[in-house]
Amino acid sequence: QKEVEQNSGPLSVPEGAIASLNCTYSDRVSQSFFWYRQYSGKSPELIMSIYSNGDKEDGRFTAQLNKASQYVSLLIRDSQPSDSATYLCAVTTYGNNRLAFGKGNQVVVIP
Amino acid sequence: GAGVSQSPSNKVTEKGKDVELRCDPISGHTALYWYRQSLGQGLEFLIYFQGNSAPDKSGLPSDRFSAERTGGSVSTLTIQRTQQEDSAVYLCASSLGSVNGYTFGSGTRLTVV
Repeated sequence: QKEVEQNSGPLSVPEGAIASLNCTYSDRVSQSFFWYRQYSGKSPELIMSIYSNGDKEDGRFTAQLNKASQYVSLLIRDSQPSDSATYLCAVTTYGNNRLAFGKGNQVVVIP
Repeated sequence: GAGVSQSPSNKVTEKGKDVELRCDPISGHTALYWYRQSLGQGLEFLIYFQGNSAPDKSGLPSDRFSAERTGGSVSTLTIQRTQQEDSAVYLCASSLGSVNGYTFGSGTRLTVV
């Protein structure tokens, strides 16, 4: 089992709709969770971090963490064409000195 | 500096040649990481430096790869006897600690011909 899995294929959403992305992780002691956005040809950019169960909102982005079920999700409300990018889920654990990344989910917002 | 700086931004090299990639992290960030990203693939961890501690080299794919970090700041990733499968974007990141999110540099696109 991979450390971090993002299984959904490309996600197409109409402008103004909600985009929902999911990520599962294998290590039960994972403690820090991040979402990165990566535009084509660019490097990843940190957009959200979450450390405890529940929801965390930042502007149009909401991260949701459920440690019991070992998943973390990202909601993008009122999707805009500028949100079209690949979104990477990343997880770190106590004592592990690096982030493990999922392969990413491509989001395409259709005007 | 204001961000993580990497150089060169692009490098084309012949198979068998050695290359050096440079990373200048954000001032004050004690942790520095190297990852690589091949076309259409996820980020592959290579090596991690934290302060003056011994680096975590567990992600280096072969002994042709090495890295050093001088004075707790600038880092150089060296690839000896490059192979075509080394072609990728090499990303450097820095952070205040391993539990914080990273800030990535703009990367070095390496092409081995």
